[in-house]
Amino acid sequence: DAGVIQSPRHEVTEMGQEVTLRCKPISGHNSLFWYRQTMMRGLELLIYFNNNVPIDDSGMPEDRFSAKMPNASFSTLKIQPSEPRDSAVYFCASSLGAADNEQFFGPGTRLTVL
Amino acid sequence: DAKTTQPTSMDCAEGRAANLPCNHSTISGNEYVYWYRQIHSQGPQYIIHGLKNNETNEMASLIITEDRKSSTLILPHATLRDTAVYYCIVRVANAGNNRKLIWGLGTSLAVNP
Repeated sequence: DAGVIQSPRHEVTEMGQEVTLRCKPISGHNSLFWYRQTMMRGLELLIYFNNNVPIDDSGMPEDRFSAKMPNASFSTLKIQPSEPRDSAVYFCASSLGAADNEQFFGPGTRLTVL
Repeated sequence: DAKTTQPTSMDCAEGRAANLPCNHSTISGNEYVYWYRQIHSQGPQYIIHGLKNNETNEMASLIITEDRKSSTLILPHATLRDTAVYYCIVRVANAGNNRKLIWGLGTSLAVNP
């Protein structure tokens, strides 16, 4: 299995632009998580889905952030408009339903907003 | 907020055992202790988890005190590749829709040659 796939790996954009991060979970996993990591705040859960349904989005910073999971094999995290304080590494992780003791993380997307 | 306390950093000599402590004094009876690690520039990686019995796998051993208020992750023969940030997390396992892990700042382990 290829593991969790994220794209792009690096993104540099200017303030005000729309940013879309993509994630493909491990096949067969039915939970998907979006995290953000910064030096100041560490690793923060933004939102997670179970069976493609958003379960908890309390970590989403504000209305500029939105996430979708249109099917079991794809999810997006969108920031519109982007701001310099959104600069961080964004990780996607997936886990397998009832045996969800282990979350498998992707390599992350390093976002820089100028 | 994170419900665990870990030292900020630790050092270990290559080939020696690395013992990483974690305090979780407010742990509930149905909460498990999980350990993950994050090697520089990579996503976190699951290591091990346990409820109250000691656990061992190919990566590490987890020792949980009898009162469950603290635990220790043991890397029996640390190598340079074990240099990473180690996170101790408590969470209810198989918690239906509540699969959130609350991450602290972890322990930065440096394995020295």
